[in-house]
Amino acid sequence: GESVGLHLPTLSVQEGDNSIINCAYSNSASDYFIWYKQESGKGPQFIIDIRSNMDKRQGQRVTVLLNKTVKHLSLQIAATQPGDSAVYFCADLYLKAAGNKLTFGGGTRVLVKP
Amino acid sequence: DSGVTQTPKHLITATGQRVTLRCSPRSGDLSVYWYQQSLDQGLQFLIQYYNGEERAKGNILERFSAQQFPDLHSELNLSSLELGDSALYFCASSVVGQKRIPEAFFGQGTRLTVV
Repeated sequence: GESVGLHLPTLSVQEGDNSIINCAYSNSASDYFIWYKQESGKGPQFIIDIRSNMDKRQGQRVTVLLNKTVKHLSLQIAATQPGDSAVYFCADLYLKAAGNKLTFGGGTRVLVKP
Repeated sequence: DSGVTQTPKHLITATGQRVTLRCSPRSGDLSVYWYQQSLDQGLQFLIQYYNGEERAKGNILERFSAQQFPDLHSELNLSSLELGDSALYFCASSVVGQKRIPEAFFGQGTRLTVV
């Protein structure tokens, strides 16, 4: 079946450095791609999304890049802070009148070193 | 607070038993998703309901079932429980049919431990 994302890897980053988290997807029909952050003991929390007809979208300290040619999605976090330590999931959203389908990837654990 | 409420937060039960997990979506959200997250794993989509009707099915076992009631709350029923069913079960809700992205809001999850 269709899938999004990779096996759960870990990214260690020094506080203050930039982080880049990558994700691959397979559903070309997806309407949006979304990044979620999951802190320990909590449910996933929306960070940023990008519509499928865009290449780049910037938020506060985060940038999402979409490369449809190679079906690749990335999340860049600028000036990584200790509070950024979490598991990050990419997801694709397929909009249907009968109910949207949200499919998650495997996630990446980010560890911020002081 | 996401506005999505899941109960109970923790559940410990024995193999072979049956449990029911409950989810109250955000006010106005018609769509409810259920996910399973095993230790250090990603989110596995189980099932989705929209306004009381099943809309999509993922990797949901036949021992598991769900429903969404007229008041839009949803229940996930897990029966003949096995040790491998121990996991975090998340519910998410989203708005359908609006111009802004139908972002999914997640509850805090129910941690199920089967012993």
